[in-house]
Amino acid sequence: EVQLVESGGGLVQPGGSLRLSCAASGFTFSNYWMHWVRQVPGKGPVCVSRISGDGSSTNYAGSVKGRCTISRDNAKNTLYLQMNSLRVEDTGVYYCVRRHQVGGFFDDWGQGTLVTVSS
Amino acid sequence: DIQMTQSPSTLSASVGDRVTITCRASQSIDYKLAWYQRKPGKAPNLLIYDASNLETGVTSRFSGSGFGTEFTLTISSLQPDDFATYYCQQYYTYPWTFGHGTKVDTK
Repeated sequence: EVQLVESGGGLVQPGGSLRLSCAASGFTFSNYWMHWVRQVPGKGPVCVSRISGDGSSTNYAGSVKGRCTISRDNAKNTLYLQMNSLRVEDTGVYYCVRRHQVGGFFDDWGQGTLVTVSS
Repeated sequence: DIQMTQSPSTLSASVGDRVTITCRASQSIDYKLAWYQRKPGKAPNLLIYDASNLETGVTSRFSGSGFGTEFTLTISSLQPDDFATYYCQQYYTYPWTFGHGTKVDTK
């Protein structure tokens, strides 16, 4: 069974930093692109960043480019998102999401970790 | 970024109703569209991919259609388990983008 367990969220002041982690199990982690997706209540999910299976390719949404870094440790089956210079609009639940192997859609999501940016 | 517009935002229906949700893309996305179902406190569940392909294990009550900029999700006969929020998502160009969701509730 695929499991994705996020951690590292919390309350942080504007300008602060957080590092999110996602522990993956139940599948061959290095074979999959992985994503971070943010959602706030009442709105649709927003793709934040993605990373290829071997970690050589990364992409970011414009709103976080230059402030966030996605990475992975395939030996530890763990995905990360380093978030710096946090803004109020970064607030939301952050999900670790597995992309389907052959398509651009998502086939497994974690339960999410809440990030609140507030003074 | 490609904008995805879903309608309606809320849909009130009864068990047994045929339900249709529409998703419109701000530019052509070919067939690269997925539909998800989300229930409170749970992660989204993939229903449809490539606009019309039913995900393995998903009931055939759900069907999808469309190409280019106009897409629909249809529930042929609404069941109690189907009351939820539905999202469309394009994966034609990154950042992939979602609609704002359609909540299906009880009439």
